[in-house]
Amino acid sequence: AQKVTQAQTEISVVEKEDVTLDCVYETRDTTYYLFWYKQPPSGELVFLIRRNSFDEQNEISGRYSWNFQKSTSSFNFTITASQVVDSAVYFCALAMDSSYKLIFGSGTRLLVRP
Amino acid sequence: EPEVTQTPSHQVTQMGQEVILRCVPISNHLYFYWYRQILGQKVEFLVSFYNNEISEKSEIFDDQFSVERPDGSNFTLKIRSTKLEDSAMYFCASSERDQRTDTQYFGPGTRLTVL
Repeated sequence: AQKVTQAQTEISVVEKEDVTLDCVYETRDTTYYLFWYKQPPSGELVFLIRRNSFDEQNEISGRYSWNFQKSTSSFNFTITASQVVDSAVYFCALAMDSSYKLIFGSGTRLLVRP
Repeated sequence: EPEVTQTPSHQVTQMGQEVILRCVPISNHLYFYWYRQILGQKVEFLVSFYNNEISEKSEIFDDQFSVERPDGSNFTLKIRSTKLEDSAMYFCASSERDQRTDTQYFGPGTRLTVL
């Protein structure tokens, strides 16, 4: 069965700290896709990144970086020098070639305090 | 930048009533989806729609739910007889192609409250 686990329910950091959000996935498919979405307090879901299973290169976008490791089935998300505006719920999600749906993790609520 | 829009932002209804949630996907997108998020919980897939038919649906998407693309721009989710447990945020999403080559972009959601 396919599954996404975000073990950290809530993380609280002080502004400018670095923070890593963990994501562990399960699938037997050899081709799959991983995503991170941000849900700010206003409620919408904002796409952050997509990774294909055959591309294990890590990615950096400004203060955001993602570490994809197939060996541990993990796709972790790091925010460097966190800011108050980063406060949100972050969802990791999985999709397979065999299905149209996104399978979401339960989300990690990040609170960045000034 | 093109975006998915949803109306209304908040819908309050009485149990047993029918509701229609509306979405306008990004204009050149061909795949459409509905998800729901019960307060404080994870986002759950309901249905995907392509070429005027349902391509996949979840166990949640039972006979009381239906989807339609009534014209070239709108995509609707109808709940025939609402129950208290249908109270949730409903998100519409669209993608240009399926997820093998594309990403699903979400609308701002419609919060449905069933009293």
